[in-house]
Amino acid sequence: TQLLEQSPQFLSIQEGENLTVYCNSSSVFSSLQWYRQEPGEGPVLLVTVVTGGEVKKLKRLTFQFGDARKDSSLHITAAQPGDTGLYLCAGANTGKLIFGQGTTLQVKP
Amino acid sequence: DAGITQSPRHKVTETGTPVTLRCHQTENHRYMYWYRQDPGHGLRLIHYSYGVKDTDKGEVSDGYSVSRSKTEDFLLTLESATSSQTSVYFCAIRPETGRRETQYFGPGTRLLVL
Repeated sequence: TQLLEQSPQFLSIQEGENLTVYCNSSSVFSSLQWYRQEPGEGPVLLVTVVTGGEVKKLKRLTFQFGDARKDSSLHITAAQPGDTGLYLCAGANTGKLIFGQGTTLQVKP
Repeated sequence: DAGITQSPRHKVTETGTPVTLRCHQTENHRYMYWYRQDPGHGLRLIHYSYGVKDTDKGEVSDGYSVSRSKTEDFLLTLESATSSQTSVYFCAIRPETGRRETQYFGPGTRLLVL
């Protein structure tokens, strides 16, 4: 069974701080996705990383796929209250997604 | 907006009763999925469909059945609801173009089984 471990599970920081969320597995994935979910809504796709070592940036968010395609990280620079939400990573294999447990981020003004 | 609606959005039911959740899409996507989301578990795949009357089991399919008689509708049925099926249920679609792992999610149905 493929598993994705996300850490930390909860993160509460002040506005302006930087943070990193990690997503780790012992399995290789063909790609890895990051989603953000607001309360009462479905997950929204932020980015897909495909190539080992790939780095993608989305404004203040930086996503990296590990060289061996087993792990990924999400780094947020100068977090803002609008970044508050649940962040989920999902590994893809044969078209199906395996989700991590999620990281709940709270950014306080 | 991927044109996905789920109904009902909230439901309270009693143990042992049947429950059917509906996912409706407006863009004729072939692939549709049902997930459940529970604290500490992320999202877990229940069943998926790759066309009308073509369905397959996911990771946590026990106690659930699905049907797809029309492209636009994917139904999830709990034949006899149990308290362990209290969860938030999400439907997702996979677009026909782009990467095959790309999925877009509906707004979810919050189900409470008493």
